[in-house]
Amino acid sequence: DGGITQSPKYLFRKEGQNVTLSCEQNLNHDAMYWYRQDPGQGLRLIYYSQIVNDFQKGDIAEGYSVSREKKESFPLTVTSAQKNPTAFYLCASSIGAAYGYTFGSGTRLTVV
Amino acid sequence: AQSVTQPDIHITVSEGASLELRCNYSYGATPYLFWYVQSPGQGLQLLLKYFSGDTLVQGIKGFEAEFKRSQSSFNLRKPSVHWSDAAEYFCAVGAYTGNQFYFGTGTSLTVIP
Repeated sequence: DGGITQSPKYLFRKEGQNVTLSCEQNLNHDAMYWYRQDPGQGLRLIYYSQIVNDFQKGDIAEGYSVSREKKESFPLTVTSAQKNPTAFYLCASSIGAAYGYTFGSGTRLTVV
Repeated sequence: AQSVTQPDIHITVSEGASLELRCNYSYGATPYLFWYVQSPGQGLQLLLKYFSGDTLVQGIKGFEAEFKRSQSSFNLRKPSVHWSDAAEYFCAVGAYTGNQFYFGTGTSLTVIP
């Protein structure tokens, strides 16, 4: 079945470390997105990509980086510059605005 | 600017009671509208969507929503709530250009026996 796979489900990071969250889709969707979710704040857009080798910053891109070398993959790196990285991270993909998003099951990142 | 407002942060209903979750949007044209549900620690699942035609749309799990252009609303309803409906519900607007989506801040639903 087609879908989006996020890994790992839980991730622990020490202060000062970079970590990379994986997002893979086999839906043949052009657009992919990364969101951060904190309690009571809904979903906030970090980065999005409409096509391979192109991506744009969202509302809270500082301290994060992405790449889009393949259509299927959109990894997110949380850098040491992100001062408060503990959150739930959601990856999504879309074939068009009329069809909505397909979401992955999320990665919970905790700084220890 | 596009925006989505869910005025109710938290709602508690009794099992078997009816449910209505409110959603208001701001958008320059007829938008694409969506409702998603999120169980704790999970991703979001699409419940239903509207982009044209009949203003009353049916979704999964017995949910329905009605688009009211005059009120800029897209409220979610269910006639009889089940305990398994306890979750977070998000309303979203899809923009025609840029393949962008705008989410409300969510409504948390508690179902009591």
